Amino acid sequence: EVQLVESGGGLVQPGGSLRLSCAASGFSFSTYEMNWVRQAPGKGLEWLSYISSTGSTTHYADSVRGRFTISRDNAKNSLYLQMASLRAGDTAVYYCAKVEQQLPRNWGQGTLVTVSS
Amino acid sequence: DIQMTQSPSTLSASVGDRVTITCRASQSINSWLAWYQQKPGKAPKLLIYKASSLESGVPSRFSGSGSGTEFTLTISSLQPDDFATYYCQQYNSLWTFGQGTKVEIK
Repeated sequence: EVQLVESGGGLVQPGGSLRLSCAASGFSFSTYEMNWVRQAPGKGLEWLSYISSTGSTTHYADSVRGRFTISRDNAKNSLYLQMASLRAGDTAVYYCAKVEQQLPRNWGQGTLVTVSS
Repeated sequence: DIQMTQSPSTLSASVGDRVTITCRASQSINSWLAWYQQKPGKAPKLLIYKASSLESGVPSRFSGSGSGTEFTLTISSLQPDDFATYYCQQYNSLWTFGQGTKVEIK
């Protein structure tokens, strides 16, 4: 069974940094592309970042480019999102998603990031 | 970047109603359009992909249509379990989600 478990969320001050992790199991992690998607409280879904199966290719939404960095460790079956210069507008539930046939067919349960002083 | 616009933002309906949600892309995305259902506190669930293909296990009362820039999701007979928020998503160029349509009880 595919499992994606996010961790690392919490309360952080504006301007601070945080690293989210996504532990994958139940599938061959190293062969799948992965993405991060977030959802602010009461708001819609926002795609944030993509990483290829090898990690050689990454893409970012304009809203986070230059502040967030996606990475992966295929030996540890883990996906990461390093977030810096955090703002109140980054407050959201952050989901990792496994891509299959170009779409997110498996999602984690999400981890909440709250940016507040 | 491709923008996705859904309408309406909120829809009030009764059990048994036929419901239609529209999604418009800012440029042609061919048929690279998916629809999701999301319930509070849960991750989204894929319903439709490639504009009109039903994901395995999804009830046949859900259907999708369209191509290019105009797409629709139709629920033929609304069931109690269908009250939720629905999102469209383009995957022609990276991903973009629509802003969502909340289907609420009338």
